Amino acid sequence: KAGVTQTPRYLIKTRGQQVTLSCSPISGHRSVSWYQQTPGQGLQFLFEYFSETQRNKGNFPGRFSGRQFSNSRSEMNVSTLELGDSALYLCASSFRLAGGTHTQYFGPGTRLTVL
Amino acid sequence: GESVGLHLPTLSVQEGDNSIINCAYSNSASDYFIWYKQESGKGPQFIIDIRSNMDKRQGQRVTVLLNKTVKHLSLQIAATQPGDSAVYFCAENNAGNMLTFGGGTRLMVKP
Repeated sequence: KAGVTQTPRYLIKTRGQQVTLSCSPISGHRSVSWYQQTPGQGLQFLFEYFSETQRNKGNFPGRFSGRQFSNSRSEMNVSTLELGDSALYLCASSFRLAGGTHTQYFGPGTRLTVL
Repeated sequence: GESVGLHLPTLSVQEGDNSIINCAYSNSASDYFIWYKQESGKGPQFIIDIRSNMDKRQGQRVTVLLNKTVKHLSLQIAATQPGDSAVYFCAENNAGNMLTFGGGTRLMVKP
């Protein structure tokens, strides 16, 4: 079974621009979560999508948004980029039922550099 | 907010020795814990998990111990190999599918 895929793998943008990152979950997984990883803050939860609805949201400004499509693929968008948005953005998928917890499997990440 | 082991220590072990990586968590209501391994340039890789109704769980060469009294997790790796060199993260599952990660521990295996 193919793993979680993320595109693009690397991205360079300038301050003020916006960016869209894409994630394809493991086949059969309906939950997609996004995380930001930086050397200073570590791994931080951004948001989770399940059945095309945002289920949970972390403590990030409104510039960070996402969506999920009917095939469970997800995108996240960051508008008005700041230097501090430079990070590795990780997507994780899980086979989530309405309740309970399930193992999250991570993709390789998208390395975003903001100049 | 809740936090899990916000430190990044380094553990250096000799190849063939056993490794023990520790993690403290703060949310006593968490009922699911996971260990991930992250190699340079890659995303976190699932190693092993444990639910709060268990104290111990074993996998291939790995064992996770959970002490709910002191809110402590540990990951034991038997016969550590050079391929085990990586950063290891513990994580607790909060509401829904929201993981809170520890700061990580870098494991270095000396040949």
